[in-house]
Amino acid sequence: EPEVTQTPSHQVTQMGQEVILRCVPISNHLYFYWYRQILGQKVEFLVSFYNNEISEKSEIFDDQFSVERPDGSNFTLKIRSTKLEDSAMYFCASSEAGGRTGYTFGSGTRLTVV
Amino acid sequence: LAKTTQPISMDSYEGQEVNITCSHNNIATNDYITWYQQFPSQGPRFIIQGYKTKVTNEVASLFIPADRKSSTLSLPRVSLSDTAVYYCLVGALGSGGYNKLIFGAGTRLAVHP
Repeated sequence: EPEVTQTPSHQVTQMGQEVILRCVPISNHLYFYWYRQILGQKVEFLVSFYNNEISEKSEIFDDQFSVERPDGSNFTLKIRSTKLEDSAMYFCASSEAGGRTGYTFGSGTRLTVV
Repeated sequence: LAKTTQPISMDSYEGQEVNITCSHNNIATNDYITWYQQFPSQGPRFIIQGYKTKVTNEVASLFIPADRKSSTLSLPRVSLSDTAVYYCLVGALGSGGYNKLIFGAGTRLAVHP
């Protein structure tokens, strides 16, 4: 079964540092997403990406965040200057057109900001 | 996006059938109903999706009455490994494909030996 792969699985960083979370979506999927889940809370939408541009972003996705598809296979989320409150599980997801077969999520990256 | 209401938690025993009902009174004509499962420290996993009547796959069944204001996820003969949080989501599946998923708190299912 095709998978969405995320690296690293865990990342610890100091407040103020930049982090890049990496994802390899399913190869024939066209729509890519980042979600996050703070411990004990709901899964929250961050951003969706299609045709090399952001199609929608949430209020959480401020200027500290950016996404990129640098090489046609990877999909990255960058947090420029991490804050303590950025500590969360970050999930990448991808879908075919229309999402009719659902969205496939990766196993996540646990980001801890200290 | 239609708001959904589902029980916060449920308990069951191995081998039983579990039915989790979700209310979505304001569902729109274009909305589909989708269920996801999430284990601790893992990403949500798509279970099943439907528009009306009944949908069945190898994992679960989804029952949707004619008015579509609710839906029931049915898990046959659960095992301990079905212990997870189950999310009911309602939203349109347009041609754009970039419809964000809005997760609620979900239903925490605990399966006991």
